[in-house]
Amino acid sequence: DQQVKQNSPSLSVQEGRISILNCDYTNSMFDYFLWYKKYPAEGPTFLISISSIKDKNEDGRFTVFLNKSAKHLSLHIVPSQPGDSAVYFCAASAVTGGTSYGKLTFGQGTILTVHP
Amino acid sequence: EPEVTQTPSHQVTQMGQEVILRCVPISNHLYFYWYRQILGQKVEFLVSFYNNEISEKSEIFDDQFSVERPDGSNFTLKIRSTKLEDSAMYFCASSEGGLYEQFFGPGTRLTVL
Repeated sequence: DQQVKQNSPSLSVQEGRISILNCDYTNSMFDYFLWYKKYPAEGPTFLISISSIKDKNEDGRFTVFLNKSAKHLSLHIVPSQPGDSAVYFCAASAVTGGTSYGKLTFGQGTILTVHP
Repeated sequence: EPEVTQTPSHQVTQMGQEVILRCVPISNHLYFYWYRQILGQKVEFLVSFYNNEISEKSEIFDDQFSVERPDGSNFTLKIRSTKLEDSAMYFCASSEGGLYEQFFGPGTRLTVL
């Protein structure tokens, strides 16, 4: 099941710079997208989401961009901080038959390391 | 801040035994989920539960698995006759609605020997 793909297993950035995490999807029925952050031995923590009717959503240092025609979304973190070092997952949800019960399909994750 | 809790944090069991993983979702949430993550693999959906019944389940969620909301606060995942390949982190999640963010618990690490 490769409906959601994060092609970069890892990303390393300097503190204060921008982190850009990318995600591609294949299922055109996806209409709600989320980013989660995960530390070892913890559950995923919700960061930010975007509906398919938007192309950008911003929350503090986090901005998610959605390009529906390219079936691509990205998460920008500006400025990056050492505490942002974690695994980042993108996830997507679809409406089926007019209803969504919220099943999330996850990407493989990208390990972000922010160096001081 | 309200949070999803899960017990136990780690469960070790013998192959063929039954286990029950417990979750307390956020109190005003209406949708409940179980996911699992096998070491080194993606987080994968198992089941969603709404209005006291299963609303969607994955191919993984076969007759070996069942879910229950026995009272107004707990949400459980039962795995009958566990197999070695059931070893994974199991995450419970809850949300206000189908297209809302899901909040995850810390997970239960299940080890089947």
